[in-house]
Formats: sequence, structure tokens, C-alpha cells
Amino acid sequence: KQEVTQIPAALSVPEGENLVLNCSFTDSAIYNLQWFRQDPGKGLTSLLLIQSSQREQTSGRLNASLDKSSGRSTLYIAASQPGDSATYLCASGSEKLVFGKGMKLTVNP
Amino acid sequence: KAGVTQTPRYLIKTRGQQVTLSCSPISGHRSVSWYQQTPGQGLQFLFEYFSETQRNKGNFPGRFSGRQFSNSRSEMNVSTLELGDSALYLCASSLEPGADTQYFGPGTRLTVL
Repeated sequence: KQEVTQIPAALSVPEGENLVLNCSFTDSAIYNLQWFRQDPGKGLTSLLLIQSSQREQTSGRLNASLDKSSGRSTLYIAASQPGDSATYLCASGSEKLVFGKGMKLTVNP
Repeated sequence: KAGVTQTPRYLIKTRGQQVTLSCSPISGHRSVSWYQQTPGQGLQFLFEYFSETQRNKGNFPGRFSGRQFSNSRSEMNVSTLELGDSALYLCASSLEPGADTQYFGPGTRLTVL
């Protein structure tokens, strides 16, 4: 049974820092790894999807990598901004997504 | 193209009542999944529908049920509500099962008193 973990649960940083968010999973035979953003009281916004055959994906200031052998994925946020403040979740799977508990990010101006 | 819509956005019910939540997927999407989000358990998969058939089901009691209509719209029902059913219920749609990306709606916030 796949388990997904995100540590730490919360992070507060000053504006401009480069950030690395971590996600670990127990079953290396994953299908996809997705990163989502959730704003308070809202639904999820898909940020990046890494297919099992890929190593990384990039979108603007975001870069996500996947290392199946170590059971880890990282989301890199360059030059963080206050607007990046949200909860970031990673999820493994395709039809049945298994989510981590999320990491609440606060970027202070 | 309109995104995933969920109605109602907020609901308050009392223990023992039942509730029905609705989800309209993105036009052309035929797969709909439901998730429950609580502070303690996080996001948990409830079930997935495709072509009016339930394809996958999560580890929830039989009080939780759902269905999908021929136009791909989906409803989920919770009977005999318990306090622990208070949660944000999220619906996600995709073109078909196993499609790369699921697109999530804004959710329905259910409060059980």
C-alpha cells in the first residue's frame, strides 16, 4: 500500500528565498507523481506532473524531480514570493491518488 | 472552457441526516473521482466513476455512495451523517481513467452538527 509523506508540515520563509519541498513515498513502482497547490478553503490546482518514465518537469519558477529508487520527489521554487503562500501537496498514482498531508508554506514580504 | 463545478459549496446538516453533493466535470471529461479532506486524515480517495460505472472505491463505509449520469455529472450521497463526516469533499475530473492529470473542483464544505 502506497504511503506518501511530506516533511515538514509547515515552513515560513522571507521573500526571495529558493525553496525545496520534499515528498517521500514507500512504493517505488509508482505511476505518476503530481504536485498540487491548495489555497485556504479552495480546491487543488495541479502544478506539475511527472510521469514514471520521467525524471523532472519544469514550469516557470517551479521544478519538480522524481527519484523512484530512493522514493523521493522534490519541488523546487525559485525566488519565492508572498503569492506562493499556500499548502503544497504531492500525490502518487493515476486513478486513485494517494496524497501526502501537505506542507503549509508562508512567504513573508 | 469551464472548470469542475461543485454544488452546493457549503452545507450544514445534523447527525443522522443524509446529504447529496453534486459535481459537474469539465466538458468532455468522462471520469469523475471524489475525495474527502479532513485536518486529521488529509485527502482520502472515496470512489471513481467512468461511463456510469464505479471503477474504484476507497476504504469508506457503505454510508458513502455515489453515481454518475450519462452526461458524466456525478453525485455522492452520505447517509446517516456522523460528526466525523464533517470535511471538504472534492471532486476531480479527467478525460478518462488513468489520464495524466485530474482537475479538481472548489469542493463542498460539509459541517455536521
